[in-house]
Amino acid sequence: EAQVTQNPRYLITVTGKKLTVTCSQNMNHEYMSWYRQDPGLGLRQIYYSMNVEVTDKGDVPEGYKVSRKEKRNFPLILESPSPNQTSLYFCASSFGRPPQETQYFGPGTRLLVL
Amino acid sequence: KQEVTQIPAALSVPEGENLVLNCSFTDSAIYNLQWFRQDPGKGLTSLLLIQSSQREQTSGRLNASLDKSSGRSTLYIAASQPGDSATYLCAVIPSSGNNRLAFGKGNQVVVIP
Repeated sequence: EAQVTQNPRYLITVTGKKLTVTCSQNMNHEYMSWYRQDPGLGLRQIYYSMNVEVTDKGDVPEGYKVSRKEKRNFPLILESPSPNQTSLYFCASSFGRPPQETQYFGPGTRLLVL
Repeated sequence: KQEVTQIPAALSVPEGENLVLNCSFTDSAIYNLQWFRQDPGKGLTSLLLIQSSQREQTSGRLNASLDKSSGRSTLYIAASQPGDSATYLCAVIPSSGNNRLAFGKGNQVVVIP
């Protein structure tokens, strides 16, 4: 089944404790991206990747890192999480560079930073 | 910077009525426009994708139109059902140099049985 998977789905952590949210797709997509969704602010793009070893900042990259060492994986790293990073995070992928086809979204990761 | 607006933010309709959801964007230089559905606490499901060269797309009871020159898209849902209750999101891919998907904040729809 074609899908985007994220882990973990739910995470509670404390300020400053490094964490990684994994994202994997099995559709051989070039384009992958991370979004956060907050009430009243909608979905905002954090980082995106056009292909392996090619990443770029989205609209809200501060406090986040990403890597794209393999085509299928695009982990999101929070080196020192802060409470303002409490949010619902989505990973997405699609064919094409730029992404001219349907975007497929993962199920989301709900993060609470205390 | 591309701005995407969806009006109204929330609406309720009786079952059986047609739904009309509006999306506007400020920069007409786009590759495509996509409509998504999001259920509470869940991920996004793609409904329709309209390429910039197209004027509309249809899937079952759903029809989406695109007027690129005026920066508008409309999603029509015919004969609404309670199962159509969800948030509908519009997003565009700009063709003006960056590859960042820009989302509207959504239309929250409740279909009343």
